[in-house]
Amino acid sequence: DAKTTQPNSMESNEEEPVHLPCNHSTISGTDYIHWYRQLPSQGPEYVIHGLTSNVNNRMASLAIAEDRKSSTLILHRATLRDAAVYYCILRDVSPNSGNTPLVFGKGTRLSVIA
Amino acid sequence: DAMVIQNPRYQVTQFGKPVTLSCSQTLNHNVMYWYQQKSSQAPKLLFHYYDKDFNNEADTPDNFQSRRPNTSFCFLDIRSPGLGDAAMYLCATSRDRWRQPQHFGDGTRLSIL
Repeated sequence: DAKTTQPNSMESNEEEPVHLPCNHSTISGTDYIHWYRQLPSQGPEYVIHGLTSNVNNRMASLAIAEDRKSSTLILHRATLRDAAVYYCILRDVSPNSGNTPLVFGKGTRLSVIA
Repeated sequence: DAMVIQNPRYQVTQFGKPVTLSCSQTLNHNVMYWYQQKSSQAPKLLFHYYDKDFNNEADTPDNFQSRRPNTSFCFLDIRSPGLGDAAMYLCATSRDRWRQPQHFGDGTRLSIL
């Protein structure tokens, strides 16, 4: 499975944008990039996913490098409620992939300062 | 409203005493997963059901079993819990096993006395 590398921790001020990086230099052409986050004392929560093009939803934006070897999750305006561990995960969606489980790495612990 | 519900939120059992954790879903998803998350670690997949088809991860201990009596419910059985089994247990559901997002419950924190 292709691996991802994320910083262990990041800090942001409230109401400022946050850019969470993820490196995945061995990504294959059929790997989707998924982001989940886990707030304290809760289960993980799906945030966003994409393949090649940048993606936006109500929670965040996902910027994918042209060579797909890195991506950035963008929270446009951090709130205290965004303090969580953010996981960047690759999932193979090729027709023969069958079952592609979520394999969680260590993620990035985001702290938001009021 | 919660769509993946885990009961109880906290469970205490004695060393070696069987324990069952439960999960229910209102999403009518085909796939149900069980993860184990130990303190300060990432969630680790134990097994999953695709409809009635059970799929065990290679390194899941034999001590852990699961049942899925119907689409909505899935149970995690720990036959003889050891101190090392103290963890958060997370249930998740998904429409498929490869592309659709997974929806997680808030977990059951299991303590072993």
